Amino acid sequence: EIVLTQSPGTLSLSPGERATLSCRASQSVSSSYLAWYQQKPGQAPRLLIYGASSRATGIPDRFSGSGSGTDFTLTISRLEPEDFAVYYCQQYGSSPRVTFGQGTRLEIK
Amino acid sequence: EVQLVESGGVVVQPGGSLRLSCAASGFTFDDYTMHWVRQAPGKGLEWVSLISWDGGSTYYADSVKGRFTISRDNSKNSLYLQMNSLRTEDTALYYCAKDAPPGVYSGSYFDYWGQGTLVTVSS
Repeated sequence: EIVLTQSPGTLSLSPGERATLSCRASQSVSSSYLAWYQQKPGQAPRLLIYGASSRATGIPDRFSGSGSGTDFTLTISRLEPEDFAVYYCQQYGSSPRVTFGQGTRLEIK
Repeated sequence: EVQLVESGGVVVQPGGSLRLSCAASGFTFDDYTMHWVRQAPGKGLEWVSLISWDGGSTYYADSVKGRFTISRDNSKNSLYLQMNSLRTEDTALYYCAKDAPPGVYSGSYFDYWGQGTLVTVSS
């Protein structure tokens, strides 16, 4: 099973700042099959990024994904108030056994 | 508009059984692999099970294998999760999620999620 480790656990930033979230895999994720989700309190997760760098439909271009192999990054170029949430990475390169990272909480400083 | 609506979550005693349902609409249900993903209170996401678009393949997380059974009825656009021998650690919000690309047999990423149904296992 591929274990995903996200860092930091909590990130405190102010609106307008740049956020960089990391997701590291215990082994290489084939074909960059890595997705990112955003989850706000009381809501279901929302798909942001798939294939490591492709934005899902309707996702603002301030969200970008990068990386390959074992190291992946989600970048939010300029934080908006609505971006403060928990973010999860997910690998599907070893499907059917997909796995999620433990999450990064992005909070307002 | 894609909609996934889960139901069936209740409070159940350890060792008990429960059947969750997910009603799907707004897309061609029998083109897509479907999943159950759960989230324990205050915790992260855990993939539970998937069923291929034709029902021919099913897979389970080790934590539920042998106790849970996933199924679907394409004529009713519905997904199910039969949960037996429930344990306190099964307490979670259970989400139904749609696989993003059509026709992928073994699952990938999820483009739509329901709002979840809460299962509480407690004596």
